[in-house]
Amino acid sequence: GESVGLHLPTLSVQEGDNSIINCAYSNSASDYFIWYKQESGKGPQFIIDIRSNMDKRQGQRVTVLLNKTVKHLSLQIAATQPGDSAVYFCAEFGNDYKLSFGAGTTVTVRA
Amino acid sequence: GAVVSQHPSRVICKSGTSVKIECRSLDFQATTMFWYRQFPKKSLMLMATSNEGSKATYEQGVEKDKFLINHASLTLSTLTVTSAHPEDSSFYICSARGRGDEQYFGPGTRLTVT
Repeated sequence: GESVGLHLPTLSVQEGDNSIINCAYSNSASDYFIWYKQESGKGPQFIIDIRSNMDKRQGQRVTVLLNKTVKHLSLQIAATQPGDSAVYFCAEFGNDYKLSFGAGTTVTVRA
Repeated sequence: GAVVSQHPSRVICKSGTSVKIECRSLDFQATTMFWYRQFPKKSLMLMATSNEGSKATYEQGVEKDKFLINHASLTLSTLTVTSAHPEDSSFYICSARGRGDEQYFGPGTRLTVT
């Protein structure tokens, strides 16, 4: 079936470095993608979104890149901070208007 | 951003009892609400979708008689886990969508069935 997935389950990054989290999706009809951050014991928190008519969108310290040719989504976090330690999920908005979540990448920031 | 609350945040109940979890959109009207379940170190699994005033639509494999969902108003949805068993222990998260595509998540409810 069609699904959204993540390439790596864990990412360890040095504080101050940039982080890149990747996601692959398979539904070519999806036109809206969202990155969420989930801290332990909490609900997902919206980080940034992007629509299929764009290939890049920037927020505060975060950038999302969308490559529709290879169905790849990435989240870049600049100058990673200890507070960025969390699980990051990409989510795909399918043509059934439901969000499908990837498996998640656990980001650990080393001091 | 919009705020979605859940109550309670944690609940422990005995096997065989029922538990109700509330989800409220605090500053917007939620035309659609969603209920997810999350196991430790796993992703969110959609259980059901509910629209105000109509019956919930359950995902395949989710028992509608086990997980009762009511979306009585544009700001409130409830999930009742009936005759709970230890295997129902999980983290339950609701989310709400207004008129646009953005979906806001609640803080989650940790259910432990003993």
